[in-house]
Order: sequence, then C-alpha cells, then structure tokens
Amino acid sequence: GAGVSQSPSNKVTEKGKDVELRCDPISGHTALYWYRQSLGQGLEFLIYFQGNSAPDKSGLPSDRFSAERTGGSVSTLTIQRTQQEDSAVYLCASSPDRRGTQYFGPGTRLLVL
Amino acid sequence: KQEVTQIPAALSVPEGENLVLNCSFTDSAIYNLQWFRQDPGKGLTSLLLIQSSQREQTSGRLNASLDKSSGRSTLYIAASQPGDSATYLCAVRPHNNAGNMLTFGGGTRLMVKP
Repeated sequence: GAGVSQSPSNKVTEKGKDVELRCDPISGHTALYWYRQSLGQGLEFLIYFQGNSAPDKSGLPSDRFSAERTGGSVSTLTIQRTQQEDSAVYLCASSPDRRGTQYFGPGTRLLVL
Repeated sequence: KQEVTQIPAALSVPEGENLVLNCSFTDSAIYNLQWFRQDPGKGLTSLLLIQSSQREQTSGRLNASLDKSSGRSTLYIAASQPGDSATYLCAVRPHNNAGNMLTFGGGTRLMVKP
C-alpha cells in the first residue's frame, strides 16, 4: 500500500518568508510525528499527534514553528519568518498507534537563503 | 535526558564480511528500540523493532540484540553486500506515558565495497 508522502520534496525560500510543509500519513494510522534532521544536530523530534488528543509540542524549537492535523489525517508544519538555521530535512512519520513502528516519509529538504 | 550514541560513526568493509554496529543509551527506562536504514537523500526505513521485554529480533541477514540493563543494542549484519551501504540509525522510545517521541543516535555510515 501507499506509504507516507511529503510535499514539496525540496523548498528554497528567502529569510523571513513563511513556509508550509505537508505530510500525508499512511491511511488508518492514528499517530503522526514530525522530526527535523540537520547537520550537526542529527534527528530531532518536533511534534506528535495522536487521534483527537492535544498534540505533544515539546520538541518545537520556537514559537515560529506550528503544526496542524486536519481530520486526523493530513498534517501541515508551518515555519514563520524563516531563518537560515531552519535549513534542514523535515521528516514526517506515522504509526498505527502511539507505540507501534514508525514509518517515515521521504522528507522535505528546506533551504533558507 | 536520554542520550543515544552510535559507534563507529563510519565503517568501510569488503563485501562478504560480517559486521556489528553498536548503539548505547543512557536511560534504561525504554519502551522499545528501533533500528532504521537511511539511504542518501531518502527517508528512514524501519529494519527491526525490539520491545523492552525482548532480547533480540531477526530479519533475514539482520539480527538486533538488546541489553536494556546495560543500555546497549547491537545490529549484526551477516555476509554484507554493496546494497547494504547506507546510514544506520538506532532510536529509543521512552517507557513513561509522557514520552511519545523517538530519540535517535547520530548514525553509522556503512560502506560495503565490492
């Protein structure tokens, strides 16, 4: 079946602009995660959604970062007033429940000039 | 705060060798540990998941072990092939209900030479 998909695959933006990154999880998966992978920092957790519960935002690095998950399916990660240090690969993952194997999408490569 | 370390950071071996990748974590209160593979420019592919109550998991030429009390896991790759070349990441999930995220190690970049 279809895996986790993310769009766009690559995004180049200018410092100060807002960007939106999209994630389509595997159908039926109730848990959805966003991670960031950058040079020198490795893979870092950003935010987690489980069903209709309030999201776990403990990994968001600043209030410029926010995420939504509409209808328990598609999620959008928004970065406002982008900075050069936001340049990274943003990975989305989903799992059947909060404890199961996480399946990752191909990522969105963000470059802030 | 949980910290995950992977040694070595990079490894180059000739085709056919058996090899071991190491992962250590500082907090033994984990729910499970997962090994992933990442190819250049790609996302992560799950290889093996070991629950905290398990000692090992096997899939084909891969075998992962877990010693929770000592905070260690190993990924054993038998009869390595050039197609195994990739970055291998281990990640742990905390046991408590407040933690939902995975904490990742820095990865081991593996190169298998023909």
